[in-house]
Amino acid sequence: DQQVKQNSPSLSVQEGRISILNCDYTNSMFDYFLWYKKYPAEGPTFLISISSIKDKNEDGRFTVFLNKSAKHLSLHIVPSQPGDSAVYFCAARQAGTALIFGKGTTLSVSS
Amino acid sequence: DAMVIQNPRYQVTQFGKPVTLSCSQTLNHNVMYWYQQKSSQAPKLLFHYYDKDFNNEADTPDNFQSRRPNTSFCFLDIRSPGLGDAAMYLCATSELTDTQYFGPGTRLTVL
Repeated sequence: DQQVKQNSPSLSVQEGRISILNCDYTNSMFDYFLWYKKYPAEGPTFLISISSIKDKNEDGRFTVFLNKSAKHLSLHIVPSQPGDSAVYFCAARQAGTALIFGKGTTLSVSS
Repeated sequence: DAMVIQNPRYQVTQFGKPVTLSCSQTLNHNVMYWYQQKSSQAPKLLFHYYDKDFNNEADTPDNFQSRRPNTSFCFLDIRSPGLGDAAMYLCATSELTDTQYFGPGTRLTVL
């Protein structure tokens, strides 16, 4: 029973274009959402987060959007760069509990 | 730089031979986590320490144990590794239940 789902295992984008990674969740009690980026043979690196009281958070090229009614969040990367090629994990938590991760989406950015 | 360090990065053990993985942190965070990640899967939480309080996930096998002798160090002991325990083991830390920061992981191979 996956509470956090990343339905696209992979995404390919050209350099300079927008990358949109999607994540759906089932638990309406989740109040904090995060995106992590993972290169091969390394641990996940925190990228950006959003609280459930917001619907958008922006940090440079990275923007996370939260649609609570749809239980959906997305990560936008604009413009995409080859160095963005990695596995992106969506994670969510309910207050006072541990993070629950999705299975990840592998992003490939070609030059 | 404050960080999460895992040793060794690669560990090879024989079927049934006990193995210990280590994690240390310079972030002075009060929570430390151990995750197991298999290929193309979400990181799976095994257990976590809130200070010295140990919290085991319900589905973590008894074969997995953990020790946290002080704030900075946490160990994962696998008493009798099986072939199915081959995975990447990730250590993470956080302040309360805020953003988790991950180490680079230890890749465990069981022969």
